[in-house]
Amino acid sequence: QVQLVQSGAEVKKPGASVKLSCKASGYTFTSYYMHWVRQAPGQGLEWMGMIYPNGGSTSYAQKLQGRVTMTRDTSTSTIYMELSSLRSEDTALYYCVRDNSAFDVWGQGTMVIVSS
Amino acid sequence: DVVMTQTPLTLPVTLGQPASISCRSSQSLVHRDGNTYLSWLHQRPGQPPRLLIYKISNRFSGVPDRFSGSGAGTDFTLKISRVEAEDVGVYYCMQATQLTWTFGQGTRVEIK
Repeated sequence: QVQLVQSGAEVKKPGASVKLSCKASGYTFTSYYMHWVRQAPGQGLEWMGMIYPNGGSTSYAQKLQGRVTMTRDTSTSTIYMELSSLRSEDTALYYCVRDNSAFDVWGQGTMVIVSS
Repeated sequence: DVVMTQTPLTLPVTLGQPASISCRSSQSLVHRDGNTYLSWLHQRPGQPPRLLIYKISNRFSGVPDRFSGSGAGTDFTLKISRVEAEDVGVYYCMQATQLTWTFGQGTRVEIK
């Protein structure tokens, strides 16, 4: 079955970087855009950016430009999201999502806590 | 960016009764390809969101037919014909028409 499995929780200090992974299975990895969406505790959903695994082209939310980098490894059907210069406001649950003209498959989420 | 505004933000409902959530976008969501990429998501506590409705009115696989979506242009509605206990949680509209994706603030559905 189609599945997105994300890496485990992270605790980081302010100013550090974090790199999350999301491994896809059950479908042709290079055929679908993939997105990252985050959700701060008790808050709504925020789109962070997208990557097209076939070629690696990316598009990022303006507010995260310069701090976020999305990459992929087609040999392992995995996408990555690296966020740098972490601040407390980056504490959130981070989801990877498949785009099939809608966000049809979601990963289980990875909690990132930024705290000194 | 396209701003998505949902109303109400909290919706107390009675089991077995209908419910309706509105979503308005700050600009038309009609894509240059003619489609309108307006979706509805449902998130239960402690779970990732799940897709309910895509392209305004298409129910995703496995979604009960008590859920329906409608609308056009900038005004969209999600309706639940008869609310069941499992329908509690937060509902989000989202747009994918412009090259940035945005979500509504979410509507919390709770049982009276």
